[in-house]
Amino acid sequence: DSGVTQTPKHLITATGQRVTLRCSPRSGDLSVYWYQQSLDQGLQFLIQYYNGEERAKGNILERFSAQQFPDLHSELNLSSLELGDSALYFCASSVGSIYNEKLFFGSGTQLSVL
Amino acid sequence: AQTVTQSQPEMSVQEAETVTLSCTYDTSESDYYLFWYKQPPSRQMILVIRQEAYKQQNATENRFSVNFQKAAKSFSLKISDSQLGDAAMYFCAYRSDGTSYGKLTFGQGTILTVHP
Repeated sequence: DSGVTQTPKHLITATGQRVTLRCSPRSGDLSVYWYQQSLDQGLQFLIQYYNGEERAKGNILERFSAQQFPDLHSELNLSSLELGDSALYFCASSVGSIYNEKLFFGSGTQLSVL
Repeated sequence: AQTVTQSQPEMSVQEAETVTLSCTYDTSESDYYLFWYKQPPSRQMILVIRQEAYKQQNATENRFSVNFQKAAKSFSLKISDSQLGDAAMYFCAYRSDGTSYGKLTFGQGTILTVHP
């Protein structure tokens, strides 16, 4: 168990809908990262938050947004969902941001858009 | 932009034997980090081994070792004495130095099957 908790584990929804994925980092970790794993695109970095602030951005669509709350949990919001958004969404956490410490991944949220 | 290529979609090995997974990458940077991650059926990504580009010595973690060839931009993973629990998808990943630790570029993955 990595200590990173993601909910829900599975999510099934329809095109055009909006969903929220939740991530609780390991105790003491200030950074949260979101990744998308799909058959077409593989594993892609989406976005990082550090202590409530956006720190790095990757291939995140404008329909997607994220935030990190004062208690350090993070939410990834996906709106106007399309079939191609079906993927496994990972959250990871680390203590800091740029120093070379270990990254811990959650077990992911499997999103199916029908 | 950096790219990571894993040319072996699938590999198989007999239990107790040795297998090598290949990875090449493209970058114009001189300082960076390379990683191998394992994704078992539980889906969780697990760090297997890490290599700093400025280190000439190849990283080793128990049965796992790498062959890092900086000039050739090659980073292969060798698994010795393979065990059934090694069966998983393996991802090679790249990270620029000085950037967010979690901003990794992943390869497409290699599915490793271990036969008893």
